[in-house]
Amino acid sequence: KQEVTQIPAALSVPEGENLVLNCSFTDSAIYNLQWFRQDPGKGLTSLLLIQSSQREQTSGRLNASLDKSSGRSTLYIAASQPGDSATYLCAVPPFSGGYNKLIFGAGTRLAVHP
Amino acid sequence: DTGVSQNPRHKITKRGQNVTFRCDPISEHNRLYWYRQTLGQGPEFLTYFQNEAQLEKSRLLSDRFSAERPKGSFSTLEIQRTEQGDSAMYLCASSPRQGGTDTQYFGPGTRLTVL
Repeated sequence: KQEVTQIPAALSVPEGENLVLNCSFTDSAIYNLQWFRQDPGKGLTSLLLIQSSQREQTSGRLNASLDKSSGRSTLYIAASQPGDSATYLCAVPPFSGGYNKLIFGAGTRLAVHP
Repeated sequence: DTGVSQNPRHKITKRGQNVTFRCDPISEHNRLYWYRQTLGQGPEFLTYFQNEAQLEKSRLLSDRFSAERPKGSFSTLEIQRTEQGDSAMYLCASSPRQGGTDTQYFGPGTRLTVL
């Protein structure tokens, strides 16, 4: 059974710092890995999707890497801003049981203060 | 294209009442998903539709829960005889692909509070 873990659970940093959020998964048989952002009380916004054949994806100040063999992904946020404050979730669609659902971690709650 | 919409955004009900939520996916997205999210946790998969066919249901979806997508467009999720443990955010998502995988686009969610 696929399990997704995110560390740390919460993070508070001053503006301008570079950040690394971690995601680990127990079953390396995945189609892809997605990172989402969720603002309080809101739905999820897709940030990056890394296919299983890729090693990383970049979008603006965000860079996500994927190491399937070790079951890990990292989300790197450069030059953090207060507007980055949100919960960041990673999710994988597992091979077993079909690709019709996402298995989520519990998220990392990020606070960037001025 | 206005994204995935969900109604209502908030619902407060008394234990034992029935509630129904609606999800309108992005037009022409044939795949639709329902998830449930409790405080401090990631979303948990409930059920999946491809067009009007409900192809997968989680064991989280007890007999009190039913979901439909009658014409392959909007979907409804009904909870009968609500319990306090049903209090959560109910999220709907859609994706366009017929096969393989693709990004799921999420709606704003319906927050259910059962008193």
